[in-house]
Amino acid sequence: KQEVTQIPAALSVPEGENLVLNCSFTDSAIYNLQWFRQDPGKGLTSLLLIQSSQREQTSGRLNASLDKSSGRSTLYIAASQPGDSATYLCAVDQRDNFNKFYFGSGTKLNVKP
Amino acid sequence: DTEVTQTPKHLVMGMTNKKSLKCEQHMGHRAMYWYKQKAKKPPELMFVYSYEKLSINESVPSRFSPECPNSSLLNLHLHALQPEDSALYLCASSQDDGSSYEQYFGPGTRLTVT
Repeated sequence: KQEVTQIPAALSVPEGENLVLNCSFTDSAIYNLQWFRQDPGKGLTSLLLIQSSQREQTSGRLNASLDKSSGRSTLYIAASQPGDSATYLCAVDQRDNFNKFYFGSGTKLNVKP
Repeated sequence: DTEVTQTPKHLVMGMTNKKSLKCEQHMGHRAMYWYKQKAKKPPELMFVYSYEKLSINESVPSRFSPECPNSSLLNLHLHALQPEDSALYLCASSQDDGSSYEQYFGPGTRLTVT
């Protein structure tokens, strides 16, 4: 069964710092990987989706990479801002029987002004 | 329009009540999902409707019953819930047409069972 791990569980950085969030998965047979942001008590906002054939995707200050063979993805946030404070979740799409999406437990990011 | 809407935002119900959660999307997506999320945990997939075909997480108790009246609407009927069912219930949708699988989530319904 697929297992998705996110390290670190929590991260606190000063404003303006560049940072990297990590996501690893045990089964490389995935269709895609999606990064989400979740504010407390709210729904998930899609940030980036990387298809299995892609190596990276960029959106503004965000860059996500995917290395399927090693089972790893990273989310790079440039010039962090207090508004970036949230929990960041990665999810892999595997399509095995029922459970299509496997989520990591998330990284809670706090960007200090 | 990339919006998924959910109603109500908050729901408090007793263990003998019957209530329903509603979800709607107008993106033409053919797959819709119900997730349950407990505090500080990732979302857990409960049900999937894809091209009107239902897939069920076998661990979900029968007191939760999904309904998909059409490809834009998804309901979750609740009956005889337990306090441990209190959670954030999230709806999501995706195109699922072989080229695009990006999931879009609604804001969620915060359910409290008393």
